[in-house]
Amino acid sequence: QQPVQSPQAVILREGEDAVINCSSSKALYSVHWYRQKHGEAPVFLMILLKGGEQKGHEKISASFNEKKQQSSLYLTASQLSYSGTYFCGTHGSGNTGKLIFGQGTTLQVKP
Amino acid sequence: NAGVMQNPRHLVRRRGQEARLRCSPVKGHSHVYWYRQLPEEGLKFMVYLQKENIIDESGMPKERFSAEFPKEGPSILRIQQVVRGDSAAYFCASSPRDRKETQYFGPGTRLLVL
Repeated sequence: QQPVQSPQAVILREGEDAVINCSSSKALYSVHWYRQKHGEAPVFLMILLKGGEQKGHEKISASFNEKKQQSSLYLTASQLSYSGTYFCGTHGSGNTGKLIFGQGTTLQVKP
Repeated sequence: NAGVMQNPRHLVRRRGQEARLRCSPVKGHSHVYWYRQLPEEGLKFMVYLQKENIIDESGMPKERFSAEFPKEGPSILRIQQVVRGDSAAYFCASSPRDRKETQYFGPGTRLLVL
């Protein structure tokens, strides 16, 4: 089942912070975060694994609450380059390597 | 240090023709995934392959679509008798292993069916 992202869209001024949430109704093994700019491929940002292991971008942080089956992506001191659509992708505990993606959160950073 | 390569980047087909999309994973990656993205929508899983094996094809339409990842050469996503609804961006991703590893996406093939 597809994870649900919130909010659907965010507009920020440069330097402001944002939080994007991803919730699943199923038990999760891992959560992957990507950013996609229009017409381009998704770019990897962060992976969070059950048990607390994280790998990712130095300037972006995220959390993974296994019990609540939720993850949040924290974007601090936003820059114009942060604009794009953010997707969370989830791995269930029982499935194969496929990622099930949320519907996306569109972030626009204005000068 | 080449990433995931996909070709062609753009493909135009008329209804009823065949479309072949190719994906070369990152060198050393043995896991390949195909995702489809309809205009203004999210990414939908289609199929997961390892060399010479289809591991999970739960996202593939039952008819007209097939995928392979041969021992030698790129992974191929084949769409027979294309229809207008097949127009989308098709992304390939690869990883060295599953679940614990990052999936790196290729630039995608944008298929337009006239």
